[in-house]
Amino acid sequence: SQTIHQWPATLVQPVGSPLSLECTVEGTSNPNLYWYRQAAGRGLQLLFYSIGIDQISSEVPQNLSASRPQDRQFILSSKKLLLSDSGFYLCAWSVEGAKNIQYFGAGTRLSVL
Amino acid sequence: AQKITQTQPGMFVQEKEAVTLDCTYDTSDPSYGLFWYKQPSSGEMIFLIYQGSYDQQNATEGRYSLNFQKARKSANLVISASQLGDSAMYFCAMRELNFNKFYFGSGTKLNVKP
Repeated sequence: SQTIHQWPATLVQPVGSPLSLECTVEGTSNPNLYWYRQAAGRGLQLLFYSIGIDQISSEVPQNLSASRPQDRQFILSSKKLLLSDSGFYLCAWSVEGAKNIQYFGAGTRLSVL
Repeated sequence: AQKITQTQPGMFVQEKEAVTLDCTYDTSDPSYGLFWYKQPSSGEMIFLIYQGSYDQQNATEGRYSLNFQKARKSANLVISASQLGDSAMYFCAMRELNFNKFYFGSGTKLNVKP
């Protein structure tokens, strides 16, 4: 069966420091991969999605970037964190098909201080 | 315009009763999918139910059913026989198949009272 791993679960970083959040999927090949951010008490904002290695689309201009070095690995990065980057980050995967249901990782709570 | 609208920020329901969570959507794409997710306090998003735009029947998954009214562009989630463990945030989402984009509503916080 398919599983998605996302880490770390929580992270506290100072302003101006770099960021790297990692997400990996097991049990499927060539998944679509997604990064979302959720502010406290709000809905999900799509940040990036990828339909294949080195095929990444950015939805919102921001201080973040994404990379997909392997088929089932998706990384969210920043060179210099801002206070506004704080939030709950969720990685998700789906497989192209009739339903294309997204399945989510457990999320990372990022606090930038 | 908002793609997904959830007008109920919070809802209360008595344990063992049924509850309906509202969702309306906006799209000009004839092919789309509608989803509901549950987000407990732990934060993980849990997939509940899916409805395709061409599906003739309303989707059901155990105690969850989706009241799909295509002409009104609504996709309400019905939870029957509420349980205390149903207390969580619930998000409605839509995928436009021609654009491979997902849109999420702002969510409804459901509290089940004993």
